Amino acid sequence: DAKTTQPPSMDCAEGRAANLPCNHSTISGNEYVYWYRQIHSQGPQYIIHGLKNNETNEMASLIITEDRKSSTLILPHATLRDTAVYYCIVSRRGSNYKLTFGKGTLLTVNP
Amino acid sequence: DAGVIQSPRHEVTEMGQEVTLRCKPISGHDYLFWYRQTMMRGLELLIYFNNNVPIDDSGMPEDRFSAKMPNASFSTLKIQPSEPRDSAVYFCASSLIGGRDSLKANEQFFGPGTRLTVL
Repeated sequence: DAKTTQPPSMDCAEGRAANLPCNHSTISGNEYVYWYRQIHSQGPQYIIHGLKNNETNEMASLIITEDRKSSTLILPHATLRDTAVYYCIVSRRGSNYKLTFGKGTLLTVNP
Repeated sequence: DAGVIQSPRHEVTEMGQEVTLRCKPISGHDYLFWYRQTMMRGLELLIYFNNNVPIDDSGMPEDRFSAKMPNASFSTLKIQPSEPRDSAVYFCASSLIGGRDSLKANEQFFGPGTRLTVL
């Protein structure tokens, strides 16, 4: 699976949009971009995934560049409860897949 | 659904003792994963099962670790004998790949984890 690069930490003011970048320059055509987050002392939680189109759900939006070498996770109105480590993962779908978690980005939402 | 259930939530044992961690996946899920998380190594995949069959155990650190899935609703991760370096949080996760809702495929649901301390 392709590797990803994320900044180790970011800060965001409560109520503002949080934009978390991820580089995945070696992504292959059949690999998806997944985002998970881990709130302190909890198990990771799925947020969103995409292939090449932008995606939106009730939690976040995912913007993938046209060349698919990078993506941005957007939390439109960050709250204190969004403080967590956010993981960007590239993986194939379907059988014989697995998720490889890197170090992620620690997002701290400040009041 | 109650989500993925793990037990115990905390385990403290002495070096050399056998440790058994338990996991009940979400009903109907066909994949089950065991992860280990430490400060030094982050979140590592140890082994995963598909329809109760082990598919990839390349992440299992050594022969002291073993995992079983006797049926679709139960899995165990055993460490025998345990060592202080096994201290970590162990997560179990389950997923549905074979379902009709392809948009949900590959989403892994994690349990709350078991914090293991080996003295």
